[in-house]
Amino acid sequence: GQQVMQIPQYQHVQEGEDFTTYCNSSTTLSNIQWYKQRPGGHPVFLIQLVKSGEVKKQKRLTFQFGEAKKNSSLHITATQTTDVGTYFCAGPYGGATNKLIFGTGTLLAVQP
Amino acid sequence: GAGVSQSPRYKVAKRGQDVALRCDPISGHVSLFWYQQALGQGPEFLTYFQNEAQLDKSGLPSDRFFAERPEGSVSTLKIQRTQQEDSAVYLCASSSRHSLRGEAFFGQGTRLTVV
Repeated sequence: GQQVMQIPQYQHVQEGEDFTTYCNSSTTLSNIQWYKQRPGGHPVFLIQLVKSGEVKKQKRLTFQFGEAKKNSSLHITATQTTDVGTYFCAGPYGGATNKLIFGTGTLLAVQP
Repeated sequence: GAGVSQSPRYKVAKRGQDVALRCDPISGHVSLFWYQQALGQGPEFLTYFQNEAQLDKSGLPSDRFFAERPEGSVSTLKIQRTQQEDSAVYLCASSSRHSLRGEAFFGQGTRLTVV
């Protein structure tokens, strides 16, 4: 079945360091979404990418969608303690748009 | 309401007991989704409603799981004869679009513990 894998599974950084998580799908995706889940919280939508090669920025966060639309990345510049949480990518399953498959997630810990 | 509301927030059930989890989506949202999230894992799709129609229930793990949305707003996820492997957080999400080409708003979830 379709799988969406993320690496790394866990990353611990010092505040001010950069962070990147990578998302890889076994199949081509029509779009990819990114969510952030704080410890004990629920997933919160960050962004959606639709076009091949698309790059979007939100302040210190940069999102990329690969040319083949099978991979994506999230880069955080100069991490802050408020960035702590698990970052999930998610894509529609098997071409259907009503079933979002979440990646395995990357847990980010930021040490002040 | 302002967001997706789920109740109860926490539920402890004895093995074999039936449970019902409620989701109040954002008013007017067409699409409603249920996900199951085990500890340390990503959310896994259970089922999807478009208004009152259950269009996809392929993620429901067994026939003990049943979901409904009779009037196209509030939804209930029912689990019969709960088992320990059902312990997880059950997340509900809603979206204003007919498909997931857009933002899905998640509720706080119901943490189910089966003892």
